[in-house]
Amino acid sequence: AQSVTQPDIHITVSEGASLELRCNYSYGATPYLFWYVQSPGQGLQLLLKYFSGDTLVQGIKGFEAEFKRSQSSFNLRKPSVHWSDAAEYFCTGGGNKLTFGTGTQLKVEL
Amino acid sequence: DAGVIQSPRHEVTEMGQEVTLRCKPISGHNSLFWYRQTMMRGLELLIYFNNNVPIDDSGMPEDRFSAKMPNASFSTLKIQPSEPRDSAVYFCASSQGNRGPHSYEQYFGPGTRLTVT
Repeated sequence: AQSVTQPDIHITVSEGASLELRCNYSYGATPYLFWYVQSPGQGLQLLLKYFSGDTLVQGIKGFEAEFKRSQSSFNLRKPSVHWSDAAEYFCTGGGNKLTFGTGTQLKVEL
Repeated sequence: DAGVIQSPRHEVTEMGQEVTLRCKPISGHNSLFWYRQTMMRGLELLIYFNNNVPIDDSGMPEDRFSAKMPNASFSTLKIQPSEPRDSAVYFCASSQGNRGPHSYEQYFGPGTRLTVT
């Protein structure tokens, strides 16, 4: 069965440090993959998406993600985290059915 | 664009009462999704519509839940009768496309926080 897994439930980083949030998928073919961010009390907002082509995709707010077929991963990265990035991040996607990851809660220490 | 609009933003009701949540998708979008979010179960897709037709309702938890989309600009999610375990944040989202919910980015509303006492 297809699935999306986010191994880290909570991550804490210092402001200005780099960030990488992990996402692994399980699907035979190339899936559609997305990263969303949810700030407290808000709905989800799309950060970036991958369908095909260039495996490094750029998103909003300075985020990027790299699709690695060999590792079945689609990790989200940011070179320098800002305090306003504290939120919950969801990886989602699938081949023929949408599957949401369980989310990673990011805390930013000042 | 106003984005996806949901009402009410907060709803507190007593067990056994009927609850109706409302959603207005982004104009021009032809797919609409209802989600439920809880601490225990995370984000769950309840049902999605394409061109106003329910395509997949396998996530609807029980017969107490029903959803309708009478036209392209309005959808409701109804719970009758409500129970305390229905307490959650319910999100509506919309997208443009016909290849299925996995294929397109979705635009989420702010959610309705439902509390059933």
